[in-house]
Amino acid sequence: QVQLVQSGAEVKRPGAAVKVSCKASGYIFTSYYIHWVRQAPGQGLEWMGIIKPSGGSTTYGQKLQGRVTMTCDTSTSTVYMELSSLTSEDTAVYYCARERPDYHAFDFWGQGTMLTVSS
Amino acid sequence: DIVMTQSPLSLSVTPGEPASISCRSSQSLFYSTGHNYLDWYLQKPGQSPQLLIYLGSHRASGVPDRFSGSGSGTDFTLKISRVEAEDVGVYYCMQALESQLTFGGGTKVEI
Repeated sequence: QVQLVQSGAEVKRPGAAVKVSCKASGYIFTSYYIHWVRQAPGQGLEWMGIIKPSGGSTTYGQKLQGRVTMTCDTSTSTVYMELSSLTSEDTAVYYCARERPDYHAFDFWGQGTMLTVSS
Repeated sequence: DIVMTQSPLSLSVTPGEPASISCRSSQSLFYSTGHNYLDWYLQKPGQSPQLLIYLGSHRASGVPDRFSGSGSGTDFTLKISRVEAEDVGVYYCMQALESQLTFGGGTKVEI
């Protein structure tokens, strides 16, 4: 069965960087795009960007441009999201989600990774 | 970016009664493929979001048929024909037309 398993919760200082992983299983990794979506406490969903594992191309949300980097390792079917220059406003749950190409929608989601940015 | 506006912000419903959520986009989501690039998600308390409806009106696998999506262009509606207790949570619409994806602000459904 399809699974997206994310790395565990993180606590970081302001100004630091964080790298969150999302390990995919149960399907052909390079056949589906992976998106990252975050949710600040008590807030709605914010799209962060997309990575296409077949070639590694990325598109990032304009708000995060310059601070976010998405990469993937096809040998382990893992996608990474790195966010730098953290501030308290980056405190959120970070989700990876698989896009089904014919749906143009996210059919599977990871369990979420809580990031707390605090001094 | 395309702005997505949902209404109402919250909805209190009675089990067995219908419910309806509106989603409007700042520009048309209808594409030359003949589809509207609009999806609906439900985030149950403490869970990750789950896909309900894709391409405006197509129910995702395993989604009960009491959920339906309709609309075209800039105006869309998610309807629950008979609300059940398990339907509580926050419902989000999302446009998938442009490369910069955007979500609506969410509608909280309570029993």
